[in-house]
Amino acid sequence: DTGVSQDPRHKITKRGQNVTFRCDPISEHNRLYWYRQTLGQGPEFLTYFQNEAQLEKSRLLSDRFSAERPKGSFSTLEIQRTEQGDSAMYLCASSLAGNSGEQYFGPGTRLTVT
Amino acid sequence: AQSVTQPDIHITVSEGASLELRCNYSYGATPYLFWYVQSPGQGLQLLLKYFSGDTLVQGIKGFEAEFKRSQSSFNLRKPSVHWSDAAEYFCAVGASTSYDKVIFGPGTSLSVIP
Repeated sequence: DTGVSQDPRHKITKRGQNVTFRCDPISEHNRLYWYRQTLGQGPEFLTYFQNEAQLEKSRLLSDRFSAERPKGSFSTLEIQRTEQGDSAMYLCASSLAGNSGEQYFGPGTRLTVT
Repeated sequence: AQSVTQPDIHITVSEGASLELRCNYSYGATPYLFWYVQSPGQGLQLLLKYFSGDTLVQGIKGFEAEFKRSQSSFNLRKPSVHWSDAAEYFCAVGASTSYDKVIFGPGTSLSVIP
């Protein structure tokens, strides 16, 4: 068990560019979550996958955001036409169904939009 | 819908002193409750969790928390704080929905004076 990993750890991009983040969950976990965390705030739920199915998206997830988990293993989060307001830490977590919500978090990807 | 409040934005304690971090939740049924800790540059680490049964739960690093249904609270305590406990602490509430959605509080930042 190597834990949840995220890549890259840091990303600096110019406004208007597209960015993609990757999350590799704990191997046997079938649930995967994306959160966004801004300075001084707790993580805010963005979206959730069970296996390869994306089952819920937050209102925070505008049309510029898209997430995939094509084979039910790793997941990607893409932000198109980035805006300065997208600057935040993007956290990924995974869990095992039936484990009562206990989620394991990755180290996060810090996005800075200039 | 669930919600979490953490009344204290920032707390400073002396090393060796006792600690209590407050958490209040709102949820219509019996909640799942969690405390996570986030050190600078690190992902969130689960300290402890409450699902059912004994209302006093023990966690890692010498932390404990007590669930009080009448007060809708789940306060985190530690009898003697160490300098390495300086971090951001997040209380979270989960619901027994189809995907165990977890809502985080805004966090309490803990500073420890040597």
